[in-house]
Amino acid sequence: GQNIDQPTEMTATEGAIVQINCTYQTSGFNGLFWYQQHAGEAPTFLSYNVLDGLEEKGRFSSFLSRSKGYSYLLLKELQMKDSASYLCAVTDSNYQLIWGAGTKLIIKP
Amino acid sequence: GAVVSQHPSRVICKSGTSVKIECRSLDFQATTMFWYRQFPKQSLMLMATSNEGSKATYEQGVEKDKFLINHASLTLSTLTVTSAHPEDSSFYICSARDPGRGSGELFFGEGSRLTVL
Repeated sequence: GQNIDQPTEMTATEGAIVQINCTYQTSGFNGLFWYQQHAGEAPTFLSYNVLDGLEEKGRFSSFLSRSKGYSYLLLKELQMKDSASYLCAVTDSNYQLIWGAGTKLIIKP
Repeated sequence: GAVVSQHPSRVICKSGTSVKIECRSLDFQATTMFWYRQFPKQSLMLMATSNEGSKATYEQGVEKDKFLINHASLTLSTLTVTSAHPEDSSFYICSARDPGRGSGELFFGEGSRLTVL
């Protein structure tokens, strides 16, 4: 079967750095997405990786290793507004999007 | 950027009534739109894929007669929850891809929170 694993919940301190990991096992691979979802709101796009390596976008970076079926989202200089769920999603060989359950990130002052 | 708009954002209805939710792509044409449902503290669950001009494709376990999907134009898809019951209370979210962008990024509507009394 296809599955995506990410931690259920993480806690970090304002101003610090946090890394959210995602491992996946899918039938084929056509890209990996990270989305941010605040409580009661729809997800918003953060990043897209299709090739191995690190993609940096401001305070957020996303890394992909296709051979390891692994990605991480790195958040720097954490702000209280970063408290949200972070969803990892992979597009398989049929371009179906497979979603992880999400990681709830709690930021403490 | 690409925008997907969803309406209404919140709806409360009585058990047994039907509710229609609209999803519009505002600055691109979407031949395919996706309808998700999300229960509290759970991940997104794909309900169905809406195809313009043809029947929707439903995921296993989703009742097509209960969740009617119509995709009559390239910018509008509707989801009608028929004879709604309290267990249908959930957050319903639509999404679409902009075919002009190669990344396959999904753009989401704002979501519609349905409460069935």
